[in-house]
Amino acid sequence: DAGVTQSPTHLIKTRGQQVTLRCSPKSGHDTVSWYQQALGQGPQFIFQYYEEEERQRGNFPDRFSGHQFPNYSSELNVNALLLGDSALYLCASSWGQGVQPQHFGDGTRLSIL
Amino acid sequence: GESVGLHLPTLSVQEGDNSIINCAYSNSASDYFIWYKQESGKGPQFIIDIRSNMDKRQGQRVTVLLNKTVKHLSLQIAATQPGDSAVYFCADEAPNQAGTALIFGKGTTLSVSS
Repeated sequence: DAGVTQSPTHLIKTRGQQVTLRCSPKSGHDTVSWYQQALGQGPQFIFQYYEEEERQRGNFPDRFSGHQFPNYSSELNVNALLLGDSALYLCASSWGQGVQPQHFGDGTRLSIL
Repeated sequence: GESVGLHLPTLSVQEGDNSIINCAYSNSASDYFIWYKQESGKGPQFIIDIRSNMDKRQGQRVTVLLNKTVKHLSLQIAATQPGDSAVYFCADEAPNQAGTALIFGKGTTLSVSS
């Protein structure tokens, strides 16, 4: 039973560039959430997708956007990268919109030079 | 806004001891809480969860206690092992009809020495 998988594992970009991160949810899950984790901090909620729509959004600028595909996989896009976007980006999946634990992948480490 | 925080940033214990990690939350409307374990270079791993209509829940070697009166949550780990060394986060699910965002605290680093 495959868990949440994310790609790539590491990525280096320069300021102003754009990046796309990918996530495949755990088998049987249909809801995908994205989190940003700065070094030494807890994850911060970016947004959540369900039925291919953004259902909830955290306090992140419009430079952060996403998409969910019919197979429930998801992408996180970040435009006009800033040095402060350097972080671990985590994807979590769960089933439905009720009270269910979210299961995390191991993340994509994004470094901005 | 909502915040979920932990009382201590670090906790050091001896192998075999029981560990207690604490967490305070601020949103009295919070109705679901989760403990995660995060090892270096990995994503958060689900440990145990509890809903607000319960005050205690037990798993394998772990127990979560919820005190809604003082908005306090704790994770107890019995017979702590070196493999338990990690950063532990509590997270609160913010009630929202549109989605289910998790609000995390800053974490407690547990170090187990043998």
